[in-house]
Amino acid sequence: EVHVMESGGGVVQPGGSLRLSCAASGFSFDDYPMHWVRQGPGKGLEWVSLISGDGGSTFHADSVKGRFTISKDSSKNSLYLQMNSLTTEDTAFYYCAKDNGLGSIFEYWGQGTLVTVSS
Amino acid sequence: DIQMTQSPSSLSASVGDRVTITCRASQSISIHLVWYQQKPGKAPNLLIFDASSLQSGVPSRFSGSGSGTDFTLTISSLQPEDFATYYCQQSYSIPPTFGPGTKVDIK
Repeated sequence: EVHVMESGGGVVQPGGSLRLSCAASGFSFDDYPMHWVRQGPGKGLEWVSLISGDGGSTFHADSVKGRFTISKDSSKNSLYLQMNSLTTEDTAFYYCAKDNGLGSIFEYWGQGTLVTVSS
Repeated sequence: DIQMTQSPSSLSASVGDRVTITCRASQSISIHLVWYQQKPGKAPNLLIFDASSLQSGVPSRFSGSGSGTDFTLTISSLQPEDFATYYCQQSYSIPPTFGPGTKVDIK
């Protein structure tokens, strides 16, 4: 059974940093792209970042480019999101999502981890 | 970036009703359209991909249609567990973008 679970959320001051993790199981981690998608409180969904199965290609939304970095460790079946220079606009639930292999189709989602940027 | 719009933004319906939600893309996306259902406090759940392909395990009362710029999600007979917010998303190009959502609540 496919399972993805995020961790690492919390409260951080503006300008601060946070690293999110996502533990994946139940599928061949190197065969599928992985994504981060976020949702502000009471708001809609916003795609954040994508990493290819082999980790060789990454993409980020313009809103986080230069501040966030997606990465993966295949030896640990784990996905990461390093978030720097956080602003209040980054406050959201952050979801880890497995691609179904056809391209930006989010087949399995974690339960989400809440990041709150506040002074 | 491709902009996605949805209508209506919300609707009230009764159990057993047929419900249709519309999604429009700002440019042609062929059939690369995905639908998700999200219940309060939960992660989104994949319903339909490639405009009309039903995800495994999703009830057959859900169906999708369309191509190019105009798409629809239809629930043939609304069930109590279908009251939720529905999002469309284009998977045609990066960045993938979502519609603003349609909230379906109880009349």
